[in-house]
Amino acid sequence: GQNIDQPTEMTATEGAIVQINCTYQTSGFNGLFWYQQHAGEAPTFLSYNVLDGLEEKGRFSSFLSRSKGYSYLLLKELQMKDSASYLCAVRSSWGKFQFGAGTQVVVTP
Amino acid sequence: DGGITQSPKYLFRKEGQNVTLSCEQNLNHDAMYWYRQDPGQGLRLIYYSQIVNDFQKGDIAEGYSVSREKKESFPLTVTSAQKNPTAFYLCASHLGTENEKLFFGSGTQLSVL
Repeated sequence: GQNIDQPTEMTATEGAIVQINCTYQTSGFNGLFWYQQHAGEAPTFLSYNVLDGLEEKGRFSSFLSRSKGYSYLLLKELQMKDSASYLCAVRSSWGKFQFGAGTQVVVTP
Repeated sequence: DGGITQSPKYLFRKEGQNVTLSCEQNLNHDAMYWYRQDPGQGLRLIYYSQIVNDFQKGDIAEGYSVSREKKESFPLTVTSAQKNPTAFYLCASHLGTENEKLFFGSGTQLSVL
């Protein structure tokens, strides 16, 4: 089975940097995904890691360490519109996608 | 435009009633998924299907049923055995290759009358 843990809530000010950690335990790891979700809407894709290291996409970066079962999503130059829930998801080698409970990020002026 | 269509957007269920949520995709994706989301929570996997005429239970399959008779369609039935069905239901699809993301529909909010 899979167990995916991430913090419940984080607060940061506009322009700052926030790092959301995700730890997982899984059999048959086949990729880690980060999604952003605004209330009442579908999640939207942010980033994907399958190999160890850092993937950078504009203001968002994601890091993976497979040996430690650990990932983080880094949000830089925070904007008010970044206030949302951020979901860590793990894909197994047999195609199952499972999600963590989500981290609510609150950006304050 | 290619995408995933869920209908209806809002659905109400009476006690003891079965209801079916529709999910259709025209992305030619092999795999399809159903998730349930309760307020302030993450997504929990109900059922998934990697190929037509085959599907597997997820973590919370009790009280739900699915079918996958066509590649494009993966309807979810919430049966009367599901005693707490009020939630936001999300359908997703995936191409089936390694580095592809999940694509989501816009969701169905189910409430009990």
